[in-house]
Amino acid sequence: GQSLEQPSEVTAVEGAIVQINCTYQTSGFYGLSWYQQHDGGAPTFLSYNALDGLEETGRFSSFLSRSDSYGYLLLQELQMKDSASYFCAPGGGADGLTFGKGTHLIIQP
Amino acid sequence: NAGVTQTPKFRILKIGQSMTLQCAQDMNHNYMYWYRQDPGMGLKLIYYSVGAGITDKGEVPNGYNVSRSTTEDFPLRLELAAPSQTSVYFCASSLGGGWYEQYFGPGTRLTVT
Repeated sequence: GQSLEQPSEVTAVEGAIVQINCTYQTSGFYGLSWYQQHDGGAPTFLSYNALDGLEETGRFSSFLSRSDSYGYLLLQELQMKDSASYFCAPGGGADGLTFGKGTHLIIQP
Repeated sequence: NAGVTQTPKFRILKIGQSMTLQCAQDMNHNYMYWYRQDPGMGLKLIYYSVGAGITDKGEVPNGYNVSRSTTEDFPLRLELAAPSQTSVYFCASSLGGGWYEQYFGPGTRLTVT
């Protein structure tokens, strides 16, 4: 079967660093994607890891360990606009991605 | 490019009514998806399509139907609406399946009362 685990909520301070973990179990795994969704908005793509290791895109980095079925999203220099929900999404076959319940990130001033 | 567009933005239906949610994309993507998102939850796949004329069920297809007569359009049909179908519906498209980046429309907020 398929399973996906992320913390439901994380709180951090503006300017700090936060890590959102994701463990997954899915068939036909190709890679791990991360999406951001602001309240009332649509999900938008952040990053994708096909191989083990760290991918960096500006203030955001994403890590994957295929052997551990584990990944994380690292957000640096947190800004208030980073307050949103973050979804890890393992990708498999033609039916695309599996989205979990996501992590609600709260940024405090 | 407009990307992925959805209409309507909001809709209130009475129990038993039917409606079609429209979705169109202008990126020439073969893959299109319909998701629903209940409050505070993740997205659940309703139906998907890998190209014109080809559709398949996702995780929660009951109560819905789709068609894909063109590459651009992927309408979702709700028959005999029920309160359990109150949700936000997102349409998405991608260049390929699997890990390819999905581009989402703005969503349709549907209430069934």
